[in-house]
Amino acid sequence: NAGVTQTPKFQVLKTGQSMTLQCAQDMNHNSMYWYRQDPGMGLRLIYYSASEGTTDKGEVPNGYNVSRLNKREFSLRLESAAPSQTSVYFCASRASGIEQFFGPGTRLTVL
Amino acid sequence: GENVEQHPSTLSVQEGDSAVIKCTYSDSASNYFPWYKQELGKRPQLIIDIRSNVGEKKDQRIAVTLNKTAKHFSLHITETQPEDSAVYFCAAPMNSGYSTLTFGKGTMLLVSP
Repeated sequence: NAGVTQTPKFQVLKTGQSMTLQCAQDMNHNSMYWYRQDPGMGLRLIYYSASEGTTDKGEVPNGYNVSRLNKREFSLRLESAAPSQTSVYFCASRASGIEQFFGPGTRLTVL
Repeated sequence: GENVEQHPSTLSVQEGDSAVIKCTYSDSASNYFPWYKQELGKRPQLIIDIRSNVGEKKDQRIAVTLNKTAKHFSLHITETQPEDSAVYFCAAPMNSGYSTLTFGKGTMLLVSP
């Protein structure tokens, strides 16, 4: 099992450009999450999906949209990137238990 | 929603010493408290957790204690080793249930040989 995978690993955007971060899990987990990690700020929840077909806002959803394409895939879209969105983005998934399993992260720079 | 405060933000110890990281939470209904370890450039990984029906849990050199009255919980690492160097995050449920977590801001632990 690959666990949780994310693409791309690195990305540089110019202000105003759009892009989609991809996340997939092969553990048959129901719940999936998108976090951003900034220095000194810990992990902050952007959006989550408790099950296929549902999505909900987290702490910092502004400027982002998500799609739960199917049970395996949960994508994060930046419609018009801003320098404040420069961050490391982590996807995570969870089964019916409590533990969240994280992907390797995507390092995004917005110039 | 839940608010989690974590201290200290950085901690330097000598190899073999003990390290303690403390977190406080605001929602008295919270009942699950995980700790994640993140090595440099890697993903966060769960290392230990505790539920509110116990006061302490141990796993080899790491332990977590919980004081529900004071609403704080702590991570204890004994006999620290250089490979313990990492950022450690505490967390608590963001709302009732376990579906979402609020994380502390992290503690960077540096263990010097």
